[in-house]
Amino acid sequence: GAGVSQSPSNKVTEKGKDVELRCDPISGHTALYWYRQSLGQGLEFLIYFQGNSAPDKSGLPSDRFSAERTGGSVSTLTIQRTQQEDSAVYLCASSLRADRVRGLWEQYFGPGTRLTVT
Amino acid sequence: GIQVEQSPPDLILQEGANSTLRCNFSDSVNNLQWFHQNPWGQLINLFYIPSGTKQNGRLSATTVATERYSLLYISSSQTTDSGVYFCAVEPDNYGQNFVFGPGTRLSVLP
Repeated sequence: GAGVSQSPSNKVTEKGKDVELRCDPISGHTALYWYRQSLGQGLEFLIYFQGNSAPDKSGLPSDRFSAERTGGSVSTLTIQRTQQEDSAVYLCASSLRADRVRGLWEQYFGPGTRLTVT
Repeated sequence: GIQVEQSPPDLILQEGANSTLRCNFSDSVNNLQWFHQNPWGQLINLFYIPSGTKQNGRLSATTVATERYSLLYISSSQTTDSGVYFCAVEPDNYGQNFVFGPGTRLSVLP
């Protein structure tokens, strides 16, 4: 079946502009995660959606970052007034569910969006 | 919060060699995943292994949750195994997201 998809694959923007990054999770997956990976670095957690629960926004680096998940499926990560330090690969992952018995299920990652702020 | 360490940070192997990668974590975990990030940046699931041992071809993994570590074994390495290997743990509190280690960068030389 279809995996996690992200668009665009590459985005170049000027400093100060707003950008929107999109993630389509695997159909039926209720949990969705956004991460950021700077060049040569590990993954930095940004935000986590689980079903209809309030999202865990604890990883968002500033109030210029926000994310929505409409209808429990597609998610959009928005970065306002982009800065050069926002340049990174933004990765989205989804998992089937999270529950109190098993906890989090396996995460599956999309190909990422490479954001370059000039 | 939970701390995740991986060792070694870098590893260079000759094709055909075996290797062991380690993931240590500072607190109890519900779940653990191993990923391979290939040179094109795609993260590929290797194992979902909260405890015990699993094998998939030349790769196997063992998690000893009570001692707070997991091992990834790569046997008869191939150049296509090159990339970065990450472990990710779910802290033992419902609703927490996965926390990633810093990764082990593996280079397999022909």
